[in-house]
Amino acid sequence: DAGVTQSPTHLIKTRGQQVTLRCSPKSGHDTVSWYQQALGQGPQFIFQYYEEEERQRGNFPDRFSGHQFPNYSSELNVNALLLGDSALYLCASSLGSLGGYTFGSGTRLTVV
Amino acid sequence: AQTVTQSQPEMSVQEAETVTLSCTYDTSESDYYLFWYKQPPSRQMILVIRQEAYKQQNATENRFSVNFQKAAKSFSLKISDSQLGDAAMYFCAYRFTSGTYKYIFGTGTRLKVLA
Repeated sequence: DAGVTQSPTHLIKTRGQQVTLRCSPKSGHDTVSWYQQALGQGPQFIFQYYEEEERQRGNFPDRFSGHQFPNYSSELNVNALLLGDSALYLCASSLGSLGGYTFGSGTRLTVV
Repeated sequence: AQTVTQSQPEMSVQEAETVTLSCTYDTSESDYYLFWYKQPPSRQMILVIRQEAYKQQNATENRFSVNFQKAAKSFSLKISDSQLGDAAMYFCAYRFTSGTYKYIFGTGTRLKVLA
């Protein structure tokens, strides 16, 4: 039973660059939610994707965008990276928008 | 707006002893879900226990139990017979039952287990 898979595990980018993070949901799950966890903080909701559409968005700028594919996998894109975007990015999958979460191990993004 | 507060940045407990982690929250809703998640160094958030606000009975999962005080908006986690593997960050989280899909997390409590 494959859990949630995120890639890459670590990433270093330069300010102003763009980055794409990937998430494969748990088998049987159809919904993907993305969270940003800054150092020493709890996760903050970025957005949720269901049926290939963004269902809800948190308080993040338009530099953060996403996509969900027909196989339910998802990408998180961040443009014009800032130092403050350095964080652990967590993906959580669920069955339906209100289903219980299964989290991945995250992607650690460092912006220099 | 809903908020979740964890006032203990760090706690320590001796192996085999009991420890309680505190969490308070603020909401105007009458029905919601509360969770405790564990985040070990592997970084994956693991569900420890879940409580539905309409249930008066406190949830328990083996060595983990909660003290849910709805009127006081308090949701503490008790870990009995602490084990070295319990060492991790623990996050309290709130979720609406409908209308919005996001979880709201506290800032976490780092639990150290002393041998």
